[in-house]
Amino acid sequence: DGGITQSPKYLFRKEGQNVTLSCEQNLNHDAMYWYRQDPGQGLRLIYYSQIVNDFQKGDIAEGYSVSREKKESFPLTVTSAQKNPTAFYLCASSIGGWGSSTYNEQFFGPGTRLTVL
Amino acid sequence: KNQVEQSPQSLIILEGKNCTLQCNYTVSPFSNLRWYKQDTGRGPVSLTIMTFSENTKSNGRYTATLDADTKQSSLHITASQLSDSASYICVVRSGYSGAGSYQLTFGKGTKLSVIP
Repeated sequence: DGGITQSPKYLFRKEGQNVTLSCEQNLNHDAMYWYRQDPGQGLRLIYYSQIVNDFQKGDIAEGYSVSREKKESFPLTVTSAQKNPTAFYLCASSIGGWGSSTYNEQFFGPGTRLTVL
Repeated sequence: KNQVEQSPQSLIILEGKNCTLQCNYTVSPFSNLRWYKQDTGRGPVSLTIMTFSENTKSNGRYTATLDADTKQSSLHITASQLSDSASYICVVRSGYSGAGSYQLTFGKGTKLSVIP
């Protein structure tokens, strides 16, 4: 059963703590993305990776870090430097990066809701 | 600057009624436009994609239109059902092939509530 999964669904963090959100896909997609979604706002790109061992900052990368050691996995770490981390986080993947000729569409995971206590 | 504006911001309709959601964009050069449906607390799911040469495309009770001259798209929902309650997001891809200069611009979405 192919798809993209995110865990956990809900995550609570104390101020000053780092937390890592998991994103896994078995679609054999090269590109993966992390977005943040706040109420009344559109999706904002945090980081994206077009290939293993390579990633680029998106529009709001400050306070976040990622790694892409495996094609299937693109974990996002929310660090204590992120001033307002409470949000809904969405991971997505696509066959090629949106800049490539092979790009078709992004498939999204179910999301992780992070709340800072 | 590429922008995608959606209207209305929110909409409440009675079950069984029709509705139309709007997406206006100032993206250039246009590549394609995609409508997503996002249920509350879930990830977006693609409904349809519109390319430059397409005016109308249907997916069940969902019909998308595109006017590339006026840079407008609409999503029409026929005979609404309670399960249509969701946010609908318009995403426009812009850029030139081969140059790796494509971009995606997301609208903020329209929140649709269908009530009995």
